Amino acid sequence: EPEVTQTPSHQVTQMGQEVILRCVPISNHLYFYWYRQILGQKVEFLVSFYNNEISEKSEIFDDQFSVERPDGSNFTLKIRSTKLEDSAMYFCASRGLGETQYFGPGTRLLVL
Amino acid sequence: DAKTTQPNSMESNEEEPVHLPCNHSTISGTDYIHWYRQLPSQGPEYVIHGLTSNVNNRMASLAIAEDRKSSTLILHRATLRDAAVYYCILRMDSSYKLIFGSGTRLLVRP
Repeated sequence: EPEVTQTPSHQVTQMGQEVILRCVPISNHLYFYWYRQILGQKVEFLVSFYNNEISEKSEIFDDQFSVERPDGSNFTLKIRSTKLEDSAMYFCASRGLGETQYFGPGTRLLVL
Repeated sequence: DAKTTQPNSMESNEEEPVHLPCNHSTISGTDYIHWYRQLPSQGPEYVIHGLTSNVNNRMASLAIAEDRKSSTLILHRATLRDAAVYYCILRMDSSYKLIFGSGTRLLVRP
């Protein structure tokens, strides 16, 4: 069964550094999403992306965040200058033409 | 964003049915009712969704009240692998983003 993959599984970085989280959505899916989950808290929507454009974003997704689909397979989330409060599990999801979002296993980001 | 209310936790015995309730009294006519679950240390996983009619799939059944103000996710025979946090989410017609609440933590006893 096709699945969403994410790399790396864990990332440790210093405050102020840039990080790029990578996702390979299910092929032939057209809609892509990033969510995050701070430890012990709810899963939070960050951004949705379709046709090489952001279609919706939350208040969390400020100028420090950006998303890109650099080629036909990868979907990336960049955090330009990480803060301590960016430490969280980041989940990528993709969707075809139906309702279902398929989530990846996540990248655990720790900002020191 | 439309809100849902779920019990914080529920317990079940293995191989018994489980009924997970969800209240969504402010639902609008075009909101879809979604259920996702999150197993420990994993990403959310789709379970089922519906609009007005009851739905069945290989994982579960979704029973939607006639007035749509509540719904129930039914796991017909709980297994240990079903221990997870179950989220009832309303997906608004204007957006495909999923707004997760706190969900119901399901404990399955052997």
